[in-house]
Amino acid sequence: SQQGEEDPQALSIQEGENATMNCSYKTSINNLQWYRQNSGRGLVHLILIRSNEREKHSGRLRVTLDTSKKSSSLLITASRAADTASYFCATDAGGGATNKLIFGTGTLLAVQP
Amino acid sequence: ETGVTQSPTHLIKTRGQQVTLRCSSQSGHNTVSWYQQALGQGPQFIFQYYREEENGRGNFPPRFSGLQFPNYSSELNVNALELDDSALYLCASSPDDMGSYEQYFGPGTRLTVT
Repeated sequence: SQQGEEDPQALSIQEGENATMNCSYKTSINNLQWYRQNSGRGLVHLILIRSNEREKHSGRLRVTLDTSKKSSSLLITASRAADTASYFCATDAGGGATNKLIFGTGTLLAVQP
Repeated sequence: ETGVTQSPTHLIKTRGQQVTLRCSSQSGHNTVSWYQQALGQGPQFIFQYYREEENGRGNFPPRFSGLQFPNYSSELNVNALELDDSALYLCASSPDDMGSYEQYFGPGTRLTVT
């Protein structure tokens, strides 16, 4: 079963605009990661935020984490057509030897040139 | 490029048959995880191997099994295929450094069961 849900399910914006995706999860976590997937291919790791962090930046990406609300958001600034992809959040509950990721349902982002 | 490869790219099998999917991890990555991604869904964790031993399993029946070899290659075997096994199967490797939680995914094998 999925850990949680992402919102919106799909998002269409113009090049240059910002895109915001939200992720909710159900259980306590060690860290939360965002991955990108192009056209049903492999996932590419974008950014990781630990449970004791509230905000993290990487290039045009900004991630926030609110553990009290069990939610995270991914902001992509100044979007480009090449950002068109599906974006997934994944939580790692830690607490054991297994580095098991539990993924959300994903947001499909379309950036129109 | 993540340095993780999978074969084959696509596969069509008949219900009841058996299938073996292969993955080659990054050199030095002793942990490999397998995920099943149904159409329109996020990946679901099948199991993980560390140094050739199963190291955790998701909610999948025993007909899903795996092997990991010392040369950083691994296999996912599925017996008695069912129509619902049709999905993209992803392997992901990760380094031994337990402070690094990022996983490196392969491009996936798309399995269709008819």
